[in-house]
Amino acid sequence: DIQMTQSASSLSVSLGDRVTITCRASQNIRNYLNWYQQKPGKAPKLLVYDESSLQDGAPARFSGGGSGTDFNLTIDSLQPEDFATYFCQQSYSAPYTFGQGTKLEI
Amino acid sequence: QVQLRESGPGLVKPSETLSLTCTVSGDSIIDYYFDWIRQSPGKGLEWIGYLYYTGRTYYNPSLKSRVTLSMDTSKNHFSLNLSSVTAADTAIYYCARRRRGAFTDWGQGTLVSVSS
Repeated sequence: DIQMTQSASSLSVSLGDRVTITCRASQNIRNYLNWYQQKPGKAPKLLVYDESSLQDGAPARFSGGGSGTDFNLTIDSLQPEDFATYFCQQSYSAPYTFGQGTKLEI
Repeated sequence: QVQLRESGPGLVKPSETLSLTCTVSGDSIIDYYFDWIRQSPGKGLEWIGYLYYTGRTYYNPSLKSRVTLSMDTSKNHFSLNLSSVTAADTAIYYCARRRRGAFTDWGQGTLVSVSS
């Protein structure tokens, strides 16, 4: 299985910050990397697919980058509704696997 | 807009079979891949497997011996059976629709506890 590692389980941030969340794959997954946002009691919500494509409805302040094994999700000018947990997921090969999540905290 | 909703028992006894159904509304289940994913504090998000309307399935090897996925296109729903459950199978179970490898649409999730 491909292991997905998000090195930060939590990040202490402030409103208006530019935040970067990182994710590393245990092998080259090209650009088959997706990002999700999850709020308490809710299902994850797709934000970015194929490394850098913004899902319909996702705010433009979210952007994805990287390739191969190292990826990042950047949030420009953090808004109150962005405080949540973010997960990466590889879709290069089944079994599809997720990172452990990075929680944004004030 | 497509909506997915999981249904099934919230409590299952150890060694018994966990059975959940995902009902899809707002779109046909034909031509899409549908997956089951679970989430627990200890294991995070764990992908269980997928099925396609043709009957094609793929299961996570870690669960393969205990999982069966099936689909009823006439009812626009699909199901998960997980046999011989233990406390380690306690989790929130989600059904999801997948496109290009990404899970674009999710059910609200249903908590299943395994306990006697």
